[in-house]
Amino acid sequence: QVQLQQWGAGLLKPSETLSLTCAVYGGSFNFYSWSWIRQPPGKGLEWIGEINHSGSTTYNPSLKSRVTISVDSSQNQFSLEVTSVTAADTAVYYCARESRYRSNTWTWYFDLWGRGTLVSVSS
Amino acid sequence: QSVLTQPPSVSAAPGQKVTISCSGNSSNIGDNHVCWYQHLPGTAPKLLIYDSNRRPSGIPDRFSGSKSDTSATLGITGLRTGDEGDYYCGTWDSSLNAGVFGGGTKLTVL
Repeated sequence: QVQLQQWGAGLLKPSETLSLTCAVYGGSFNFYSWSWIRQPPGKGLEWIGEINHSGSTTYNPSLKSRVTISVDSSQNQFSLEVTSVTAADTAVYYCARESRYRSNTWTWYFDLWGRGTLVSVSS
Repeated sequence: QSVLTQPPSVSAAPGQKVTISCSGNSSNIGDNHVCWYQHLPGTAPKLLIYDSNRRPSGIPDRFSGSKSDTSATLGITGLRTGDEGDYYCGTWDSSLNAGVFGGGTKLTVL
């Protein structure tokens, strides 16, 4: 049974750096890509970005300047950093296992999710 | 403002059928497959449909998906009170080179 366990600081001040880590237990880490997704209070889901086992990343253009996703394949872990946070970054942050591949069209979906971490930004 | 457009809410009685629409453009839904998620309060989102109309193992056939041009639809039959929650569509946007979601639809089973 594959599980994702995530952790990180839940309360930040404006201008600080958000840092979260997600560990993958019980499955093949190298076969998939891994993503971060967030949901601000009362709003919908927002994809932040993805990374594969070799460290290749793709980011949401709206967040790209402040986001870094990294991987430690030896530990089956991947991490998220968001710099210069503001109140607008307050959200539940999820890590998830992603499938993205193209035949004639792109297939993209998340079949396994972490439990979510509420990150609040407040002075 | 989400890239994909969903109705804010839908409702139906137990046992009835409901559909949830998801509208995009030629760079996202028009070009790529759609996925759907169920998000119940206090839980992580759950994949219901991928590749526009395929169900993962363990998802009952009460849930179905379809896609036509730049729109997609999630259908749920035999509604139960346990189906109440938020439903999201998602797809890859070839122009943005990013994943995009709809704003979510709140399902109420009256």
